[in-house]
Amino acid sequence: DTAVSQTPKYLVTQMGNDKSIKCEQNLGHDTMYWYKQDSKKFLKIMFSYNNKELIINETVPNRFSPKSPDKAHLNLHINSLELGDSAVYFCASSRTGGKSSYNSPLHFGNGTRLTVT
Amino acid sequence: AQSVTQLDSHVSVSEGTPVLLRCNYSSSYSPSLFWYVQHPNKGLQLLLKYTSAATLVKGINGFEAEFKKSETSFHLTKPSAHMSDAAEYFCVVSDRKGKGEYGNKLVFGAGTILRVKS
Repeated sequence: DTAVSQTPKYLVTQMGNDKSIKCEQNLGHDTMYWYKQDSKKFLKIMFSYNNKELIINETVPNRFSPKSPDKAHLNLHINSLELGDSAVYFCASSRTGGKSSYNSPLHFGNGTRLTVT
Repeated sequence: AQSVTQLDSHVSVSEGTPVLLRCNYSSSYSPSLFWYVQHPNKGLQLLLKYTSAATLVKGINGFEAEFKKSETSFHLTKPSAHMSDAAEYFCVVSDRKGKGEYGNKLVFGAGTILRVKS
């Protein structure tokens, strides 16, 4: 009954490769996110989608391309992987809508640990 | 822009003693504030949230936090630490940036690692 599930849990790959991380939520939420946690455990938002529409796009290299086929899924594709992309990537979701959206807590997946060698 | 400062990177307590994890924030708006916990190799779990209702917020596992606007603080406390509380804790402020009224951009503090000694 996992609420926010990410696959794979671990991903080890070489520089220059292209890889994808998948995320699905069964909470009925309409907004999904990708966060990156670096080696110092600092978490920073990358993207957010609301009902399949991109609403937050932080300064992220265009090698990273999110795709939301429906509001329950948000996948992250990374082209030409670099050493600096090594991190833990967290997917999250929330129920938003109207002026109260900033109150909505996020529900996180367990993360995907990406290691680029 | 909103920001969060967690004043201690590591806190060590003995089992059964009180826990205090300190957090200060800056915000141009009336903020929403959260505490999340992350156990090793796990995702983040919401402990509690403040959204301009009662200033003393009770969360799960016996944790609570008090919003003090005059001090711009949102410290997390627990009367008696348990071994299972050992984890990393993140104080988070909600930034209202995002397209239109949608989008909840959380700004995370750097985290505080709580160690509980037996």
